[in-house]
Amino acid sequence: KQEVTQIPAALSVPEGENLVLNCSFTDSAIYNLQWFRQDPGKGLTSLLLIQSSQREQTSGRLNASLDKSSGRSTLYIAASQPGDSATYLCACAGGTSYGKLTFGQGTILTVHP
Amino acid sequence: KAGVTQTPRYLIKTRGQQVTLSCSPISGHRSVSWYQQTPGQGLQFLFEYFSETQRNKGNFPGRFSGRQFSNSRSEMNVSTLELGDSALYLCASSLSTGVYEQYFGPGTRLTVT
Repeated sequence: KQEVTQIPAALSVPEGENLVLNCSFTDSAIYNLQWFRQDPGKGLTSLLLIQSSQREQTSGRLNASLDKSSGRSTLYIAASQPGDSATYLCACAGGTSYGKLTFGQGTILTVHP
Repeated sequence: KAGVTQTPRYLIKTRGQQVTLSCSPISGHRSVSWYQQTPGQGLQFLFEYFSETQRNKGNFPGRFSGRQFSNSRSEMNVSTLELGDSALYLCASSLSTGVYEQYFGPGTRLTVT
């Protein structure tokens, strides 16, 4: 059974700082890993999708890496802004579970001016 | 292109009642998945539908059921509501099942009193 863990549970940083969010998973037989952002009371916004054959993906100030052998992914946010404040979730799809995503508990990020 | 839409957005029901939630996927997407989000359990997979067939089911009681129509729209039904069913119910769509990126709707907030 896949288990996904995110560290830290919460993070508070000053504006402009570069930061890293961590995600680990127990079963390396994944199809892909997605990073999402969730604002309070809202749905999930997809940030980056990394296929199992890829090592990293970049979108603007965001860079996500994937190391299947160690069961780890990181989300790097450059030059953080107050608008980046949200909960960040990672989720894995894989094995015989087709489209089922297994989510971590999320990292609550606060970027203060 | 319109995103995933969910109706209704908010719902208040009484214990013992039943409820039906609706999800319209992004045009051209054939896979729809449902998730329950609660503060205690986080995001948990309910079921996935592809081409009107349930492909995968999470660990929820039989009171939770769903279906998908020929136009890919999906509904989920919860019968005999319990207080613990209060949650944000999220629907996600993707082009197909498996390795494709999933896009989430804004969710339906269900409160059971």
